[in-house]
Amino acid sequence: GNSVTQMEGPVTLSEEAFLTINCTYTATGYPSLFWYVQYPGEGLQLLLKATKADDKGSNKGFEATYRKETTSFHLEKGSVQVSDSAVYFCALSDGSLTGGGNKLTFGTGTQLKVEL
Amino acid sequence: SAVISQKPSRDICQRGTSLTIQCQVDSQVTMMFWYRQQPGQSLTLIATANQGSEATYESGFVIDKFPISRPNLTFSTLTVSNMSPEDSSIYLCSVGTDYSNQPQHFGDGTRLSIL
Repeated sequence: GNSVTQMEGPVTLSEEAFLTINCTYTATGYPSLFWYVQYPGEGLQLLLKATKADDKGSNKGFEATYRKETTSFHLEKGSVQVSDSAVYFCALSDGSLTGGGNKLTFGTGTQLKVEL
Repeated sequence: SAVISQKPSRDICQRGTSLTIQCQVDSQVTMMFWYRQQPGQSLTLIATANQGSEATYESGFVIDKFPISRPNLTFSTLTVSNMSPEDSSIYLCSVGTDYSNQPQHFGDGTRLSIL
């Protein structure tokens, strides 16, 4: 079956530090990959996506590249801010599932804390 | 993207009671999903709400405990029945499409505590 593995948190960084949150996946077929962010007390917001190998998704300074050869979709940001403190979820959508449409499989989430 | 409203945003309930959560979308959508997020955990899919027919439940979730309605393409409800403290979670509604390369979009969730 499909699965997503994320690095465990919490990840604590100083403001302006470089961020990497690792995500690897197992899936049949050709999944689409997503990063979602959940700020305290809120629902999930789509951060970025990539739908085929070597695609790079980007948004708000965050980037992730779909690497089929390593089955990875690591999230990066060059300079984090306190306002980036949140929980980040990696997810995949595998349309090969019967009737699945864009049903998602989520990783466990990685909490990011950015300090001044 | 669609605007998704969930009600209530939070509630505190007594064990043994039931609560119905509403999810309203500002446009017609093909797929609607219900998730549970237990404290400090990831999201677990409860079921896919199908318009005009019975919901499709994931392993470990049953209709008697989590009855779902979807009377039209913009609205769905999830009922958490005969609640116990283990049901204390965030319940999230999301909307999607038939296409796996499209993201789901989420409501802000319902934070439910059972005493």
